[in-house]
Amino acid sequence: AVQMTQSPSSLSASVGDRVTITCRTSQDIRNHLGWYQEKPGKAPQLLIYDASGLQSGVPVRFSGSGSGTNFTLTISSLQPEDFATYYCLQDYTYPRFTFGPGTKVEIK
Amino acid sequence: EVQLLESGGTLVQPGGSLTLSCAASRFTFSAYAMTWVRQAPAKGLEWVSTIGDDGSLTHYADSVKGRFTISRDNSKNMVYLHIKSLRGDDTAVYYCAKPMGVAGLNWFESWGKGTLVTVSS
Repeated sequence: AVQMTQSPSSLSASVGDRVTITCRTSQDIRNHLGWYQEKPGKAPQLLIYDASGLQSGVPVRFSGSGSGTNFTLTISSLQPEDFATYYCLQDYTYPRFTFGPGTKVEIK
Repeated sequence: EVQLLESGGTLVQPGGSLTLSCAASRFTFSAYAMTWVRQAPAKGLEWVSTIGDDGSLTHYADSVKGRFTISRDNSKNMVYLHIKSLRGDDTAVYYCAKPMGVAGLNWFESWGKGTLVTVSS
């Protein structure tokens, strides 16, 4: 099974900051990684697919990069609505999936 | 716009069973695999189970294998999750999810609002 780690587990940042979240996998998954944003009481929202593809409707301040075992989600200029928890997800082992443990982005 | 509406979540005693339902609309249901994802209180997201478009193939997380059964009825645009031998760690919000529309893009693009299962005596 593919093991997922995310770092940091939480971070505090201010509006306008550049934020980077890292996801690492226990084996090479090529570009089979997505990123989700979750807010309390709401269903998760797909932000990035195939490591770097921006999902339709998602602001361009969100970007993804990486391949193999190391991936990053970057928010270029943090906005008030971006305070949330972010999860990576691998589908290399489709139809079995694995989520990362999550990174909570809080207001400094 | 795709609609997914989960139901069936309730308070259940340990060892009990229940069936969750997900009603799908506004897309060609029979063309998509469907997935259940859960989130325990104050915990992360966990993939639970996926069923193929015609229902012939099913897949489960190791944590639920043998206790959970996913099924679908394409004539009714419904997907189900039957859970037996419920345990406290099954307490979670259960989401139904649909993948993107492009072949090979399996990412969960559409989600329901979730249904809460609470396992407690």
